Amino acid sequence: EAQVTQNPRYLITVTGKKLTVTCSQNMNHEYMSWYRQDPGLGLRQIYYSMNVEVTDKGDVPEGYKVSRKEKRNFPLILESPSPNQTSLYFCASSSSTGGWTEAFFGQGTRLTVV
Amino acid sequence: DQQVKQNSPSLSVQEGRISILNCDYTNSMFDYFLWYKKYPAEGPTFLISISSIKDKNEDGRFTVFLNKSAKHLSLHIVPSQPGDSAVYFCAASDAGNTGKLIFGQGTTLQVKP
Repeated sequence: EAQVTQNPRYLITVTGKKLTVTCSQNMNHEYMSWYRQDPGLGLRQIYYSMNVEVTDKGDVPEGYKVSRKEKRNFPLILESPSPNQTSLYFCASSSSTGGWTEAFFGQGTRLTVV
Repeated sequence: DQQVKQNSPSLSVQEGRISILNCDYTNSMFDYFLWYKKYPAEGPTFLISISSIKDKNEDGRFTVFLNKSAKHLSLHIVPSQPGDSAVYFCAASDAGNTGKLIFGQGTTLQVKP
C-alpha cells in the first residue's frame, strides 16, 4: 500500500530537548516536504526536498532542520524545541512527474512543547 | 502576508444542496491551483486541481472554477453529501518553483443530513 508514514503520532516534550520526527514514503517519490498546521493559518511549508541531498527552506524554517540522505526518508529535527513549535506537523511526498498535484500526506504528528 | 486566503472559516449546507467554497490569491505568478480535503486525525488528500490555462475543471460531483482576472477560485460540490464534511484547503503553486505549495487557512464544511 502506497503511504507516507510519520512517527510518532503524538509527542509531548519539554523546552530545549532535541527531538526528531521521522517520515518515510514507499512510493519512490523524489519530492518530500514538511508542513505545520496551526489554527487560522492553514498549512505552512517548513522545508522541502526535491531529491536526495537537495533541501530548501519553505516559509517557516526557523527552529527546524531536515536531512535527505536517502530517497525514502525525510526526518524533521527540532534541535531546541520551544512552546511556539507546538503544532500539528505533516510530511508529504510526490513524484517529480506529478508535481505537487499528487502529493500524498502522512497522518500527522501532534507535538506539544511545554 | 497570506498569499492564498480562504475567508470563510466554516460553511454549513443541507444534504443534496450545493456547497461553494471560495479562495482568493494575490500572487499573479501562481499557475496551478489545488484543493485538498482533510478529515480529523488524517492527513490532507488531493481532491481536484486546475491549471491557469483553464477556467473550469470537473470531476464527478466536484468542479473547480478559476477567475484569473479576479484572482479567485471556487470549489463547487453538487450534490453535497454528509461524507463531504471535512476541512477543505485551497493551495497554489508557481510551476517555476516546484517545491513551493502555498495553502489557504482552510474552510470547515458541514453537510447536514
